[in-house]
Amino acid sequence: RKEVEQDPGPFNVPEGATVAFNCTYSNSASQSFFWYRQDCRKEPKLLMSVYSSGNEDGRFTAQLNRASQYISLLIRDSKLSDSATYLCVVKDTGRRALTFGSGTRLQVQP
Amino acid sequence: EADIYQTPRYLVIGTGKKITLECSQTMGHDKMYWYQQDPGMELHLIHYSYGVNSTEKGDLSSESTVSRIRTEHFPLTLESARPSHTSQYLCASSDPGTSGVSYNEQFFGPGTRLTVL
Repeated sequence: RKEVEQDPGPFNVPEGATVAFNCTYSNSASQSFFWYRQDCRKEPKLLMSVYSSGNEDGRFTAQLNRASQYISLLIRDSKLSDSATYLCVVKDTGRRALTFGSGTRLQVQP
Repeated sequence: EADIYQTPRYLVIGTGKKITLECSQTMGHDKMYWYQQDPGMELHLIHYSYGVNSTEKGDLSSESTVSRIRTEHFPLTLESARPSHTSQYLCASSDPGTSGVSYNEQFFGPGTRLTVL
């Protein structure tokens, strides 16, 4: 079983739609959670951290459910520029680096 | 914008050649990382460094080696390239953060896309 699992997609949505991605992680001791965005053939960039209380940044909302060991990302009013792969990332206690999911691909269509 | 650089961006090379992928950052970060990523797949950590003269292997076994003689420089070397080494190599760095959390954002370089014929 992968440590971080995501639906690879692609999610094809029209502009203006609301789309949500989920990610599950296997290590209950994981301490920090993030969503990174990776454009095609580019490097990953931090989109937002995920806090226990949930957090929002403009059109993006991230939530954490520790009991069920999943995190989610909600994108409202999708823009063409949101088309990318969204990587779920986890930092485990005692691990020196991050663990990346394989990503969920989003394609926003006009 | 992150100040982390990788060269070359693209490299096509024959089997058996020795190659060095360069990575430099100007942010003064202590922690640096090398990841390997195949198309459509997750990033796998192959090397990391906590600081000068500190290097360790990552989760994914790799025939490459690294060195950290200066804070800003973290080169990766393949002594004898093989077609199985064809992949994208991403360098990243991070600092400890200031909020008491031991980890902060990782900044990635643009990557080196390596093809071994």
